[in-house]
Amino acid sequence: QKEVEQNSGPLSVPEGAIASLNCTYSDRGSQSFFWYRQYSGKSPELIMFIYSNGDKEDGRFTAQLNKASQYVSLLIRDSQPSDSATYLCAVNPRRDDKIIFGKGTRLHILP
Amino acid sequence: GAGVSQSPSNKVTEKGKDVELRCDPISGHTALYWYRQSLGQGLEFLIYFQGNSAPDKSGLPSDRFSAERTGGSVSTLTIQRTQQEDSAVYLCASSQHQGNDGYTFGSGTRLTVV
Repeated sequence: QKEVEQNSGPLSVPEGAIASLNCTYSDRGSQSFFWYRQYSGKSPELIMFIYSNGDKEDGRFTAQLNKASQYVSLLIRDSQPSDSATYLCAVNPRRDDKIIFGKGTRLHILP
Repeated sequence: GAGVSQSPSNKVTEKGKDVELRCDPISGHTALYWYRQSLGQGLEFLIYFQGNSAPDKSGLPSDRFSAERTGGSVSTLTIQRTQQEDSAVYLCASSQHQGNDGYTFGSGTRLTVV
């Protein structure tokens, strides 16, 4: 059973601080890794994807991947109240397969 | 189209009735996926269409659920003899490269079975 695990939260972070969201996955051969943001009552929105070990930066967001530890993280710098949402970690176990989603971590940015 | 379009946005139905949910993917996207999300829960995979290949139906929860994709574009998810536990948001997504670059989701259909 392929699984993607996340802490459900809520994770509360002061405005302007760094929010760190973590995710582990069970299938060692997984190929692609994604972070989606989902606001309450809305559908998920892709914000980052990463394929290779290391860091990938896009604006205030950095995705980190460690395949040896089967660990993916998302850092949000200079957190804003608008970053308050549920963040879904997702993994594609192999090319041309369906993505498996974690249950999400609720992030609350405190003004 | 510019995005993934789903209809209806909301559907209330009586227990035992059949419902059809429609998804129109982004033009040119060859892969189409259906997921559902119950209140406060994660995304549950239902079915996946890729081009002309046989669909991956491994996530359909029972034989009351079926889906088709006509002409490699629009998809319809049908739920027969609806039950209260079918109440959820049904999300459709499409992708250009078999999901390797992630999916784009539609806004979903909120199904309520009363």
